[in-house]
Amino acid sequence: GAVVSQHPSWVICKSGTSVKIECRSLDFQATTMFWYRQFPKQSLMLMATSNEGSKATYEQGVEKDKFLINHASLTLSTLTVTSAHPEDSSFYICSAPRGFEQYFGPGTRLTVT
Amino acid sequence: DAKTTQPPSMDCAEGRAANLPCNHSTISGNEYVYWYRQIHSQGPQYIIHGLKNNETNEMASLIITEDRKSSTLILPHATLRDTAVYYCIVRVTSGTYKYIFGTGTRLKVLA
Repeated sequence: GAVVSQHPSWVICKSGTSVKIECRSLDFQATTMFWYRQFPKQSLMLMATSNEGSKATYEQGVEKDKFLINHASLTLSTLTVTSAHPEDSSFYICSAPRGFEQYFGPGTRLTVT
Repeated sequence: DAKTTQPPSMDCAEGRAANLPCNHSTISGNEYVYWYRQIHSQGPQYIIHGLKNNETNEMASLIITEDRKSSTLILPHATLRDTAVYYCIVRVTSGTYKYIFGTGTRLKVLA
């Protein structure tokens, strides 16, 4: 079946640095991908919709200058957390629709020290 | 805001059926009901979806009430590996595939 991968699976960075997370659809093309954030014991919160060839659409309350999204090709979307702070530590998950399903990546655990 | 409400947690004995309810009283006629589950620290996994008819696949059954205001996911013979958080989501039938997750139900299957 369709697979979505994320890289890295986990990352530790220092406060003030930037971190890039990749989301790839491995055997299908995705003009749209979604980015979620999940804090411990909480549900997934949709952050933004990544659109191939155009600007991302951010959900209310999500800072677009802090969470930069680029959808450079039909199989790759990247999320860059800029000037990361400890409160950005979270589990970041991407997804891509194919047919009637959404395929989710395995997630990236970000820890900011 | 999420358009679904679910009980926060449920327990089920191994081998028994697990029945997970979901309320979606504001669902529109063009919205599907989807169920996903998330095992600890993994991405959500698709289970089943439906519009108005009951559905069954190799994983589960989905029962949707006639007025479509609620549904029940049934895992017919729960195993320990079914321990997860189960999310019920409504999604329009066309256009955006955007999902808004509710709080989900944490199902614990007991040996």
